[in-house]
Amino acid sequence: EIVLTQSPATLSLSPGERATLSCRASQSVNSYLAWYQQKPGQAPRLLIYDASNRATGIPARFSGSESGTDFTLTISSLEPEDFAVYHCQLRINWPPVYTFGQGTKLEI
Amino acid sequence: EVQLVESGGGLVQPGGSLRLSCAVSGFTFSTYWMSWVRQAPGKGLEWVASIKEDGSEKYYVDSVKGRFTISRENAKNSLYLLINSPRAEDTALYYCARDGGKEAMTYWGQGTRVTVSS
Repeated sequence: EIVLTQSPATLSLSPGERATLSCRASQSVNSYLAWYQQKPGQAPRLLIYDASNRATGIPARFSGSESGTDFTLTISSLEPEDFAVYHCQLRINWPPVYTFGQGTKLEI
Repeated sequence: EVQLVESGGGLVQPGGSLRLSCAVSGFTFSTYWMSWVRQAPGKGLEWVASIKEDGSEKYYVDSVKGRFTISRENAKNSLYLLINSPRAEDTALYYCARDGGKEAMTYWGQGTRVTVSS
């Protein structure tokens, strides 16, 4: 079973600052990683798919990268609406199953 | 406009059963995998199950295998999740999502809440 570990659990920053969120997979497999943003009382919103591709309508300040089993979501300059919980998700190529990280809360 | 609307949640006793539904509009339902994802109160997201476009393949997280059944009716643009023998740990908000595979889960419903309690 692959485990995704997100760090930090909570990140405290201010508007205008740069945010770097990490997601580490416990092993390397043929897979795809996505990032989601979730605000209180709302469904998750897809930000990044296949590690580095922005979903439709997502601002350019959001970017994703990967290095082996380490994945990073970077928000270049925080806007007030970016304070939320961020989840990473790994989709194993075969069988097509998913696992999520435990989430990172980005707070002011 | 793409819409996914879940229904069927509620209070269910341990050992009972419940069927969740997800009504879809705004895209060609029969050409996409679909998934259920849940979120326990105050917790993170957990993938529950996925189903292929034609319903011929289904996959589940280990904790629900043998108890939950995912299904779909393409003619009705509807996705279902039958929950049998629920446990307290199945208490969660259940979301349906369009499963784009490599393109991830682009569209989500607003969720339906399931509470397992006697």
